[in-house]
Amino acid sequence: GAGVSQTPSNKVTEKGKYVELRCDPISGHTALYWYRQSLGQGPEFLIYFQGTGAADDSGLPNDRFFAVRPEGSVSTLKIQRTERGDSAVYLCASSQPSGRAKHSYNEQFFGPGTRLTVL
Amino acid sequence: DAKTTQPNSMESNEEEPVHLPCNHSTISGTDYIHWYRQLPSQGPEYVIHGLTSNVNNRMASLAIAEDRKSSTLILHRATLRDAAVYYCILSRLTGANNLFFGTGTRLTVIP
Repeated sequence: GAGVSQTPSNKVTEKGKYVELRCDPISGHTALYWYRQSLGQGPEFLIYFQGTGAADDSGLPNDRFFAVRPEGSVSTLKIQRTERGDSAVYLCASSQPSGRAKHSYNEQFFGPGTRLTVL
Repeated sequence: DAKTTQPNSMESNEEEPVHLPCNHSTISGTDYIHWYRQLPSQGPEYVIHGLTSNVNNRMASLAIAEDRKSSTLILHRATLRDAAVYYCILSRLTGANNLFFGTGTRLTVIP
């Protein structure tokens, strides 16, 4: 079946501009995660959605970053007034709904990422 | 979240077993040990997870020390496709599974 898809695959923008990055999760996955990965580093957690609501946005670096998931499926990560330091690969992941079993495991499935370059 | 320590890089010959170590001396009783790997130019993919007992699946085996302060991911026969960065991650399985990646171990497989 189709995996997690992200668009665009590459985005080049100028400092100060606004960008939107899109994530299409696997159908039926209610949990959706955004991560950011800088060169040579592991992915860094940004925000987690359960359904339409952001259950944990503690990883967003500042108020220039915002994410939405209005219908509980597709999500958009929005970055205002981009800075050169925002350049990174932005990864999206989705997982199954939490099971009723206390220790149910919800493997995260990652998309290929969007490479953002801020000039 | 408890921290993990992994070697920056390792090498293995093709078709030989690989043992990737991970130290997690501050692990709590409710922390699960997860392994993900990231192939070049791809997003991470799940490999295996465990709590206390050793685990096997089609991709790998996970050996967990009795005191749970360390674990080892075992690839039984490395192939060129196994060249990737391997991440050892601790998290609780309740609710959200926000993954806190470190820098991982870069595995090079030599033909």
